[in-house]
Amino acid sequence: GNSVTQMEGPVTLSEEAFLTINCTYTATGYPSLFWYVQYPGEGLQLLLKATKADDKGSNKGFEATYRKETTSFHLEKGSVQVSDSAVYFCALSDSTSYGKLTFGQGTILTVHP
Amino acid sequence: DAGITQSPRHKVTETGTPVTLRCHQTENHRYMYWYRQDPGHGLRLIHYSYGVKDTDKGEVSDGYSVSRSKTEDFLLTLESATSSQTSVYFCASGQGYNEKLFFGSGTQLSVL
Repeated sequence: GNSVTQMEGPVTLSEEAFLTINCTYTATGYPSLFWYVQYPGEGLQLLLKATKADDKGSNKGFEATYRKETTSFHLEKGSVQVSDSAVYFCALSDSTSYGKLTFGQGTILTVHP
Repeated sequence: DAGITQSPRHKVTETGTPVTLRCHQTENHRYMYWYRQDPGHGLRLIHYSYGVKDTDKGEVSDGYSVSRSKTEDFLLTLESATSSQTSVYFCASGQGYNEKLFFGSGTQLSVL
């Protein structure tokens, strides 16, 4: 079955530091890959997505590249802000799954001034 | 953003009682989902629906049932609540593969 593995957290950074959150996946076929973000007390919202190999998703300074050869979709941001503090989830859906998402366990990011 | 609301936002109940959580979406999305969120597990799928009256089980469906009588409404029922079902429950809706899901704000359920 499908599975997503994210790097262990929590991650604590100073403002303007570089961020990487690793994500690897196992899936049948050609999944679409997503990063969702959850701010305190809220539901999840889409941060970015990529639907085929070598695609790069980007939004709000965050980027992730769909690497089929390494089955990875690592999230990066060059300079984090305090407002980026949240929980980040990597997820996938495949063409047989009725749009269902399989999530990683989530990574808590805290950014200090 | 998409209109998707959950009710109630918070609920405390006793072991053995039935509980129903409600999800309502105004985007005419075909697919709807119930997830639970627990520390260390991310979000896990309980049940999903791919159309009115069409539902199927997710990975953690034991002790839960669902119903979808209208496109916009998706109900989750805990038939006899247990302490292991204390969790945050999220409803989501979407248009399918490759498309993003829209999430509600969650229901914090405590079973005492």
